[in-house]
Amino acid sequence: ETTVTQSPASLSMAIGEKVTIRCITSTDIDDDMNWYQQKPGEPPKLLISEGNTLRPGVPSRFSSSGYGTDFVFTIENMLSEDVADYYCLQSDNLFTFGSGTKLEIK
Amino acid sequence: EVQLQQSGTVLARPGASVKMSCKASGYTFTSYWMHWVKQRPGQGLEWIGAIYPGNSDTSYNQKFKGKAKLTAVTSTSTAYMELSSLTNEDSAVYYCTRSLLRGGFAYWGQGTLVTVSA
Repeated sequence: ETTVTQSPASLSMAIGEKVTIRCITSTDIDDDMNWYQQKPGEPPKLLISEGNTLRPGVPSRFSSSGYGTDFVFTIENMLSEDVADYYCLQSDNLFTFGSGTKLEIK
Repeated sequence: EVQLQQSGTVLARPGASVKMSCKASGYTFTSYWMHWVKQRPGQGLEWIGAIYPGNSDTSYNQKFKGKAKLTAVTSTSTAYMELSSLTNEDSAVYYCTRSLLRGGFAYWGQGTLVTVSA
């Protein structure tokens, strides 16, 4: 079983700041990491899929990097509409979500 | 356009079973894995398992073996999940979600809320 450790659990950032979220996996998953945004009352939205691939229609201020066991999700120039919960998902060895990061405005 | 339409809110008694549905449209139902994800109130996401409707192959999170049973009816493009021996811990929103050809759950149903209460 592959476990995923996501940090931090919460973030308070000012508009325009850079946001960084990290996920570490217990096994090597190549680049089989995905990143989701979830707003209250809505299902999660896939922002970035395996291979650090930005999904169509997702703003370019969202990006990710990483390979193997260490992965980083970044929001450049945070906007108010980015307030949400963010999750990583490994899809190499079955599927495991990270525990989530709650992003708020400072 | 890919759409996943889930069945409505369920109120169930402890010890009972519930079966929920997820009707797919806009793509070839038999060609993609359909996954199910659990989210308890205010909590994170858990992958329950998946079914490949093309051959009914299934894969489960070990934690949900014996709790969840996944099936699919290809003639109606509908996936089902049955939860048995319900407890308060099963109170949650359950999502069906379709994966991309390579990883990533790209399309989601609106969720089915299950409340377990005596």
